[in-house]
Amino acid sequence: KNEVEQSPQNLTAQEGEFITINCSYSVGISALHWLQQHPGGGIVSLFMLSSGKKKHGRLIATINIQEKHSSLHITASHPRDSAVYICAVRQGGGADGLTFGKGTHLIIQP
Amino acid sequence: DAGITQSPRYKITETGRQVTLMCHQTWSHSYMFWYRQDLGHGLRLIYYSAAADITDKGEVPDGYVVSRSKTENFPLTLESATRSQTSVYFCASSGRGGSPGDTQYFGPGTRLTVL
Repeated sequence: KNEVEQSPQNLTAQEGEFITINCSYSVGISALHWLQQHPGGGIVSLFMLSSGKKKHGRLIATINIQEKHSSLHITASHPRDSAVYICAVRQGGGADGLTFGKGTHLIIQP
Repeated sequence: DAGITQSPRYKITETGRQVTLMCHQTWSHSYMFWYRQDLGHGLRLIYYSAAADITDKGEVPDGYVVSRSKTENFPLTLESATRSQTSVYFCASSGRGGSPGDTQYFGPGTRLTVL
């Protein structure tokens, strides 16, 4: 059983649509990360959350600690948003690396 | 501002050979990590280091060795490469303030093929 589950695995949408990617986790965490992996392979950190909500440009990330759930939203989506979005958690209790979901492959069509 | 770099970017080797992947960061980050990325598994932690001379195992450490004699370098060695170690390897660093919960910055990755 994967400790971090993402949905959907694949998502194709039209330019301008509002996008939601979900992440659920089953372990106690100290922080949750959203990462973006471009088609060329590079990985960029988008957000790190331990509570509440963060916004950066058209990207919004929320987390509900009690429900062990996080969402990543993209408003006014654009073809350049096409990438794999990865949810990762840092578990509490001393483990210092990240545990990753398998990613959501997003394609935004013009 | 070089950030975090990995070398080589691509490597082809044969079963049984020793291979070392290099990772270098210029931020004096305390924490460094090695991950591997495989289809169907996503990213998985191999080893991490909290500071120079301090390393610890992650989820999939078997067949790998790490060292960290200097803060800025964190090499990963495959002592006797196997085909199952064909993967893309990412190095990452975090912790300007020494906190492991800080944002992680990833290197560009090394694509390793073991024949």
